[in-house]
Amino acid sequence: DAGVIQSPRHEVTEMGQEVTLRCKPISGHNSLFWYRQTMMRGLELLIYFNNNVPIDDSGMPEDRFSAKMPNASFSTLKIQPSEPRDSAVYFCASSRLAGGLSYEQYFGPGTRLTVT
Amino acid sequence: AQKITQTQPGMFVQEKEAVTLDCTYDTSDPSYGLFWYKQPSSGEMIFLIYQGSYDQQNATEGRYSLNFQKARKSANLVISASQLGDSAMYFCAMRAPTSGTYKYIFGTGTRLKVLA
Repeated sequence: DAGVIQSPRHEVTEMGQEVTLRCKPISGHNSLFWYRQTMMRGLELLIYFNNNVPIDDSGMPEDRFSAKMPNASFSTLKIQPSEPRDSAVYFCASSRLAGGLSYEQYFGPGTRLTVT
Repeated sequence: AQKITQTQPGMFVQEKEAVTLDCTYDTSDPSYGLFWYKQPSSGEMIFLIYQGSYDQQNATEGRYSLNFQKARKSANLVISASQLGDSAMYFCAMRAPTSGTYKYIFGTGTRLKVLA
């Protein structure tokens, strides 16, 4: 079985440009999570979806960030316009929900974003 | 409020010895799940072990065991017979159905260095 797939793996862009990160969760998983990891702030939950519906977006830094999940097999995280402080590793993770507290998250390999 | 606390930013252990990584948690939910993840220098997040709040026995997975002390709200990870490949960042996480959501709360991590 393929794990969580993220693309691109690396992204270098200039300040002010739009960045779109993509994620394909594991088939059958109905919870999807976007995290950001930096040395300074550690691992931060940005937003998560249950059954394609955003449940908690309180971690989204500001209006420049938006996330969508149009179907069960695809999600995007968009930053527009990007800023140097957005430089981080962005992880997508998925898990089963179904009331299952025992269901661990499976993480994608991450997208390393550098904004110059 | 739910919270995970990892008080050891960094730990050293001699190869082949055992090491305990501390984790304390706080939640008002009677049902919850506790997880440990490993993040090696390559960056991926790897699920290690799970403990449910109603589990009577401590979880074990190979060289990993979870020392679960419910009354103290602690869920320490024990790695036996440390190997050089165990050098990594370790995160403790909790999942609880607070307000009908099932998001994961992560600690700040402990960086383990195994010495030859």
